[in-house]
Amino acid sequence: NAGVTQTPKFQVLKTGQSMTLQCAQDMNHNSMYWYRQDPGMGLRLIYYSASEGTTDKGEVPNGYNVSRLNKREFSLRLESAAPSQTSVYFCASRLGTANTGELFFGEGSRLTVL
Amino acid sequence: AQRVTQPEKLLSVFKGAPVELKCNYSYSGSPELFWYVQYSRQRLQLLLRHISRESIKGFTADLNKGETSFHLKKPFAQEEDSAMYYCALSGQGGGTSYGKLTFGQGTILTVHP
Repeated sequence: NAGVTQTPKFQVLKTGQSMTLQCAQDMNHNSMYWYRQDPGMGLRLIYYSASEGTTDKGEVPNGYNVSRLNKREFSLRLESAAPSQTSVYFCASRLGTANTGELFFGEGSRLTVL
Repeated sequence: AQRVTQPEKLLSVFKGAPVELKCNYSYSGSPELFWYVQYSRQRLQLLLRHISRESIKGFTADLNKGETSFHLKKPFAQEEDSAMYYCALSGQGGGTSYGKLTFGQGTILTVHP
């Protein structure tokens, strides 16, 4: 039982390049989330998917797109990376049947945009 | 809109001293509130949730709807409590707020020996 798995763990991009962060969970959770973590800014929600087939914008969605491929997988895409997107990205999931559910996090993906 | 504010970025205490990490929130409905912790080289994990009214690792947090606060407290801090702590809010009800979980800026707690 791996929980939430993110790939890659580290990535260096040049400005303008594109990439996709992959996330998968094996806990049969309904809701999945992408956050970015920046010093002094805490965790900011980029996009989330409350259930399979739906996605919604969070606080900082500009420059990102997401795909809820199926119940297990939720990917985050940067179409044209910018230095401001240098950050640590966390994927998370929770059962989602009630808002009291515990959020389970991946290990994080450290992205540097030069 | 839902918002969580943690006014202290850094908090330092000595072992055995009481500690309080502040959290204030803004939400028009009835929120669900959580504290998450990130120890060095570990994943973010749930510490406690207000609905459970539990004490985890000696920490407690009480939801004060009048002051819109959910401060985390521990009477005697230990060195192993040193970590990053995040307060989080989950919106109730349907619509676009369903499932949305918002975090504060985080507080780095350092407990000195």
